[in-house]
Amino acid sequence: DTGVSQDPRHKITKRGQNVTFRCDPISEHNRLYWYRQTLGQGPEFLTYFQNEAQLEKSRLLSDRFSAERPKGSFSTLEIQRTEQGDSAMYLCASSVERAGEAFFGQGTRLTVV
Amino acid sequence: GENVEQHPSTLSVQEGDSAVIKCTYSDSASNYFPWYKQELGKRPQLIIDIRSNVGEKKDQRIAVTLNKTAKHFSLHITETQPEDSAVYFCAARSAGRRALTFGSGTRLQVQP
Repeated sequence: DTGVSQDPRHKITKRGQNVTFRCDPISEHNRLYWYRQTLGQGPEFLTYFQNEAQLEKSRLLSDRFSAERPKGSFSTLEIQRTEQGDSAMYLCASSVERAGEAFFGQGTRLTVV
Repeated sequence: GENVEQHPSTLSVQEGDSAVIKCTYSDSASNYFPWYKQELGKRPQLIIDIRSNVGEKKDQRIAVTLNKTAKHFSLHITETQPEDSAVYFCAARSAGRRALTFGSGTRLQVQP
């Protein structure tokens, strides 16, 4: 599969624990996005990378959230001290140019208990 | 920032009928408007998009129209089929930004 890959697909964690998700974009795509989707809602933008540079962050991205893309390829999203309100689907997307189509991964479903 | 409103939230049609989903946006600087289809448990997939220099775009049974003056755009699906059943999201992107702002989605059910 040459699409956007996310790992893990599902994560259940206890409140207060840290979690980290990984996204592998389509290989030639230099733009990478993280979105969060809660049940019955559209995806909400979290952050954007162009190569390894994090160029845009949403107000939704509190100081408990951090994202990296160290070599301009895969990206990680870490949530520290998880809260029940963090339960959602975390979607990664990539594109080859700003005006190009964004391709989404299957997402990581996080459940905080 | 950008705000996108989408209606209706649910839509049920008979197979073969047409379906129309409407979205409005707030930022007059928005210039890119994609539509995504998301089946249960699957990733959102782009089905059609339109840019602000075009008023209408068609791809087989799917068409999108854009009215920049009124700041609204619509998705039209003709000759609906049961496999069209899914949640559809509209989105908008402002010039100079990278983020898409999504609507809240429309659950389309095509009754066979």
